[in-house]
Amino acid sequence: KAGVTQTPRYLIKTRGQQVTLSCSPISGHRSVSWYQQTPGQGLQFLFEYFSETQRNKGNFPGRFSGRQFSNSRSEMNVSTLELGDSALYLCASSLKRSTDTQYFGPGTRLTVL
Amino acid sequence: GENVEQHPSTLSVQEGDSAVIKCTYSDSASNYFPWYKQELGKGPQLIIDIRSNVGEKKDQRIAVTLNKTAKHFSLHITETQPEDSAVYFCAASGDYGGSQGNLIFGKGTKLSVKP
Repeated sequence: KAGVTQTPRYLIKTRGQQVTLSCSPISGHRSVSWYQQTPGQGLQFLFEYFSETQRNKGNFPGRFSGRQFSNSRSEMNVSTLELGDSALYLCASSLKRSTDTQYFGPGTRLTVL
Repeated sequence: GENVEQHPSTLSVQEGDSAVIKCTYSDSASNYFPWYKQELGKGPQLIIDIRSNVGEKKDQRIAVTLNKTAKHFSLHITETQPEDSAVYFCAASGDYGGSQGNLIFGKGTKLSVKP
């Protein structure tokens, strides 16, 4: 069974731009969670989607948003990029809810210049 | 909210020795405790997990123990090998009222296994 895939793997953007990251969960998994990983803050939860609905949200500003499609694929968007948004963005999928085992993708490395 | 503390932040062992990483959590509602291994340039990989109705779980050279009373859980790696070198993260999750199920991670332990 294929794992979680994330595209693109690397992105370079400048301040003020916006970016969209994509995540395809493991086949049959319906819950997708997003995390931000930075050296200073570690791994922090952004949000979780299930059946196209945001079910849970972390403590991030409204510039961070996401959505989920009917095939469970998910996208996250960051608007008005700031230097501090440079991070590894990780997507994790689980069967029905995020308390099930979560499997992570390889991440998208975002650099904001 | 839930807080997970992880120690040590770095750990260096000789090949063949055992390694132990410890985590504590604060919220008694936490009921799921996974451990992830992250190698350079990759996403975290689940290596073992335990739920609160179990005190210990073992998978070959890896074991996890959970003490619900003390609110701590530990990862034990025996007969370490150079390929065990990576950053290890503990995490906790549970039904925390309004925020259900998201993983709260420790800060990570960089394990180095010297041949």
